[in-house]
Amino acid sequence: EAGVAQSPRYKIIEKRQSVAFWCNPISGHATLYWYQQILGQGPKLLIQFQNNGVVDDSQLPKDRFSAERLKGVDSTLKIQPAKLEDSAVYLCASSLARGGTPLNTEAFFGQGTRLTVV
Amino acid sequence: SQKIEQNSEALNIQEGKTATLTCNYTNYSPAYLQWYRQDPGRGPVFLLLIRENEKEKRKERLKVTFDTTLKQSLFHITASQPADSATYLCALGKQTGANNLFFGTGTRLTVIP
Repeated sequence: EAGVAQSPRYKIIEKRQSVAFWCNPISGHATLYWYQQILGQGPKLLIQFQNNGVVDDSQLPKDRFSAERLKGVDSTLKIQPAKLEDSAVYLCASSLARGGTPLNTEAFFGQGTRLTVV
Repeated sequence: SQKIEQNSEALNIQEGKTATLTCNYTNYSPAYLQWYRQDPGRGPVFLLLIRENEKEKRKERLKVTFDTTLKQSLFHITASQPADSATYLCALGKQTGANNLFFGTGTRLTVIP
């Protein structure tokens, strides 16, 4: 079974530029998460999709971050314009979870995209 | 908002000993708690899930306890090995339509040969 695919693996941009990350979850996984992980910290949930609908984006800085999940499969996360403090690893994860039960809630993570804003 | 803290940033133990990691939370009532392992440059990997009505869960050399009164989970690795060296993360989830999954700060474990 193929895992969660993310691209690119690394990205270096200047502040005020824009950047986009792509994620292809495991086939059949209804739930997709985007996390931001700053060096030395735990992953911070940015946005969560169930199929192609947003179920939680309370911690997404909506003035500069946006995300979409077309057709309930692939997802893109965009930052425009980037700030120095956006330097982090952006992790995408997916799970079979459909809500209402702890079953199948384990998240499968991609390798992440390491973003450096200079 | 919820706050999830793990006992220390780093823990060093001798090979063969039992490592005990702590996860404390506030302002949250999780339906379940998960533990993950993260190696440098990789995404977290799921290890164990324990539900709110379970006191203890075991898997090979791993044991997790969950005390909803203390709002705490303990994660034990018995007979630790250098290969167990990694960062360990706890994550809390709710049994709702959203199935939110919020992570703690992580503890970096080093097992010394």
